[in-house]
Amino acid sequence: EDQVTQSPEALRLQEGESSSLNCSYTVSGLRGLFWYRQDPGKGPEFLFTLYSAGEEKEKERLKATLTKKESFLHITAPKPEDSATYLCAVQANSGYALNFGKGTSLLVTP
Amino acid sequence: DAGVIQSPRHEVTEMGQEVTLRCKPISGHDYLFWYRQTMMRGLELLIYFNNNVPIDDSGMPEDRFSAKMPNASFSTLKIQPSEPRDSAVYFCASSISGTYGYTFGSGTRLTVV
Repeated sequence: EDQVTQSPEALRLQEGESSSLNCSYTVSGLRGLFWYRQDPGKGPEFLFTLYSAGEEKEKERLKATLTKKESFLHITAPKPEDSATYLCAVQANSGYALNFGKGTSLLVTP
Repeated sequence: DAGVIQSPRHEVTEMGQEVTLRCKPISGHDYLFWYRQTMMRGLELLIYFNNNVPIDDSGMPEDRFSAKMPNASFSTLKIQPSEPRDSAVYFCASSISGTYGYTFGSGTRLTVV
C-alpha cells in the first residue's frame, strides 16, 4: 500500500531563516510526486511535479528535490506570505489518484 | 478561466437528510476527482472519473455515498442519509490527462448535526 509521511507536522521560522520540509514515501512504481500549498479555507494549490530521482524544480523561494525514497521542499529566506500548509502526494503507475500526506504547517514570523 | 467551481461553499444539515455537492471542472479537463479532508485523516480520495466514466470508487465510504458525472462539465456527490461523521471539507479537482497537477476547487464545508 502506498504511504506518504511528512515531517515535521509543524514548523515555525523567522523571516529569512531557511529550512526544509521532508516527504518520505513508499509506492509501487512512482508516476510522479506532487507538492501543493494550502491556505486556510482554500483548496490546495499546485506547486511542482517531480518524476524521477535526481530531478529538481524551483519557484521563487521554493525548491523541490526527489530521491527514490523521499522528497524535500527547501524554503530559502522565507517571508510571512509563505505561511501555509504544504502537502506532498504520490501518484502510482497503477492509476491517476494522488495519495496525500498530512502536510506540514509552516508559520513564518516577521 | 474560472477554475474548478464547487457549490455550495458551506452546508449545514441535520442527520438523516440528503446532501448533494456540485462541481464544475475546468473546460477541457478529462479527469475529475472527489476528495474529502478532515483533521484526523487529511485528504482522502473518494472517487475519480475519466471522460465522465467512474474509474476508481474504492474510497467511497459506504453505500450512503454516490457520485455521478452526467457530462463533461458537471459532477455531483450525494450523501443519503447523512451522518455526523460525514462532516468534513469536500474538494473537487480536475486535471488534463491525469498526470499533471490537479486544479482544486475551493471546497464545500459540510456540517451534519
